[in-house]
Order: sequence, then structure tokens, then C-alpha cells
Amino acid sequence: NAGVMQNPRHLVRRRGQEARLRCSPMKGHSHVYWYRQLPEEGLKFMVYLQKENIIDESGMPKERFSAEFPKEGPSILRIQQVVRGDSAAYFCASSPLPRVSAPREKLFFGSGTQLSVL
Amino acid sequence: GQNIDQPTEMTATEGAIVQINCTYQTSGFNGLFWYQQHAGEAPTFLSYNVLDGLEEKGRFSSFLSRSKGYSYLLLKELQMKDSASYLCAVCGNDYKLSFGAGTTVTVRA
Repeated sequence: NAGVMQNPRHLVRRRGQEARLRCSPMKGHSHVYWYRQLPEEGLKFMVYLQKENIIDESGMPKERFSAEFPKEGPSILRIQQVVRGDSAAYFCASSPLPRVSAPREKLFFGSGTQLSVL
Repeated sequence: GQNIDQPTEMTATEGAIVQINCTYQTSGFNGLFWYQQHAGEAPTFLSYNVLDGLEEKGRFSSFLSRSKGYSYLLLKELQMKDSASYLCAVCGNDYKLSFGAGTTVTVRA
């Protein structure tokens, strides 16, 4: 039973390029969360998605960032025109149940994608 | 908003006990989680508290006092492999997990 899979593990981009981060949730999980982690800081919530729906994007920057979780395939976090401040570790987590039940259902995290912007 | 505080670093000797404190101020409360994160790896679930008191699970225990907005994670019989970052996370009214910055524990021989 594979865990949450994220790829790539490391991604290097130059300023102005696009970054695409992929997340395949655990089998049977249809709820996906994206978090960003900066050095010396905690995990910061970005977005919560269910299949084909964005449920909560209150943590997403208003510009350049977007996320999707299509009916088929992985969830994608897309960052357009990256800047150096986007350099961080981006973690995906999945859950089998809707968020309202989440307190009793722990999130399962992937190993993250380390984005470095040159 | 959410405010979660925990110490930045702690050092202890192999075989000893370490207690990691976490204080929080959040909009509502639906439980507190502790996660372990080794460098470059995924956070992994350690414990969940929603009622006051102590939850024991092997060498790890977690305590919660909702009236004080306080929790601790107790690591006993420390092993070298316990060197990691320990993340305190609170689930608020919006059912999102808000994380503290993490406590890096270094276990020395």
C-alpha cells in the first residue's frame, strides 16, 4: 500500500519559469492538502481539494499559484513566474474522509518537493 | 488566527527523557496532533489528543490541558533515531491543521 507520492523530490527553476509539483494521494483517499514549509518555520496551509473541487484555498497567494485535483491523475500545484521567495519545501497530505471528520483521521504526508529558484 | 509556540531546539542524552512543550491560542479547538519529521522526510503521525489528560503509546506520551492551551510530548528512553523535528499542530474551528515551527531534538550518545 503505497503512501502519498510526490514528485519530483527536488526541482530547480530559474526566476520567471513555471514549477509543477505533483501529488498522488494514498489509495482510497480523495482529500488532498498542500502545505509549504520555509526554513525555521512551520508548515503553512495552502489549499484543500477534493476530486475536481477546490474546497479551501485561503492559504494560497492570490497570484501565480493554482492547484487542481482532476478526476483522473495526481493533484498538481502550479507556480507561474517563480521568484526566489517561492523557494521552499512543498508537502502534500491526503485523508480518506472529509475535513469535518478530519480530527480523528490523521493526515498522511508525502516526502515533499524541495523547490529551489535560482 | 492561530498562534502555536514550541521551543526551537532541545538536546538530550541517549536513554534520557525529554519533554517538548507546546502552547496554543486558536479559534476553536478540535484536537491537537504531534508529528515527527526527520530531515528531508515526510512528517509522520505520533499522537492525537482532544480530551484533557495523558495519552501513552510506548515510549511516547502526549498530554493536553485545554483550559491552559497547553500540551507536551514526552519522549522516554531516548534513542539516537529519535533525533528529529517534532511538530505540534492544532485543529481549529475550520478543521484545518495549524502547525508550530517545530522543535529539533538532538540525541547525543
